[in-house]
Amino acid sequence: DAGITQSPRYKITETGRQVTLMCHQTWSHSYMFWYRQDLGHGLRLIYYSAAADITDKGEVPDGYVVSRSKTENFPLTLESATRSQTSVYFCASRGTAKSNQPQHFGDGTRLSIL
Amino acid sequence: ELKVEQNPLFLSMQEGKNYTIYCNYSTTSDRLYWYRQDPGKSLESLFVLLSNGAVKQEGRLMASLDTKARLSTLHITAAVHDLSATYFCAVDSGSRLTFGEGTQLTVNP
Repeated sequence: DAGITQSPRYKITETGRQVTLMCHQTWSHSYMFWYRQDLGHGLRLIYYSAAADITDKGEVPDGYVVSRSKTENFPLTLESATRSQTSVYFCASRGTAKSNQPQHFGDGTRLSIL
Repeated sequence: ELKVEQNPLFLSMQEGKNYTIYCNYSTTSDRLYWYRQDPGKSLESLFVLLSNGAVKQEGRLMASLDTKARLSTLHITAAVHDLSATYFCAVDSGSRLTFGEGTQLTVNP
C-alpha cells in the first residue's frame, strides 16, 4: 500500500541498548523527517533529510543518528538509549521544500526505555 | 529561531458553541498548516494556508492566515463532540516545520 509506514509500532528496551526505528515511504518524496512527541512540548524535530545521503540536525538531535542510503527509507537509531528518550516518535515525508502539500505522517512508534 | 505559540492550550466547550484557537509565530513565513491528532493516533492534515489572507473551510472548521500579524486562527462553529482532539499549527520555515504545543479541545454534550 502507498504511504508512510513506521516499525515497530511499540518497543520496550533498556537503558544503554541500541535501538533502530524504521520509516519507509512509497511516494518517492525527497524530504523525510523524524519528530518526537512529548507532553508539554508538542512535536520537536530530531533530524531531517532533503534527499538520499543528505541529512541535517533539527531541534533535538543529541543521542540520535540517522542515515538515508535510499530515498524511501529513513531509519533513526538511538545508539545508547536513555530514559529521557522515552517518547512517541513520528516519521513524516514531503515532496519538496516548496511543495504546497503538507507533511504526511506515519502512525508513530511508542518507545519506552526502562 | 522561529517560535510558534498556540492558545489556549486546553479548551473545554459545550456542543453548539463557537470558539477560536490562535497561533502566533515569531518570524516571517507565508505558509502555515493545521493538523488534527486524536488520542493515540497520528497527525492528520486539516488545512494548508499558503499566502496572506488565505481562508480555508471544512465543515465546522475555518482557518485563516494573516502573515503581517504573524497570526493564524482556527475557528470552530457550533462545536460537536466529534471535534474533540488536539489541534496543532505548524509554520513553514523553508525545508522544515515548527509546531506549536497544540490545543487540546474537549467538546462536552
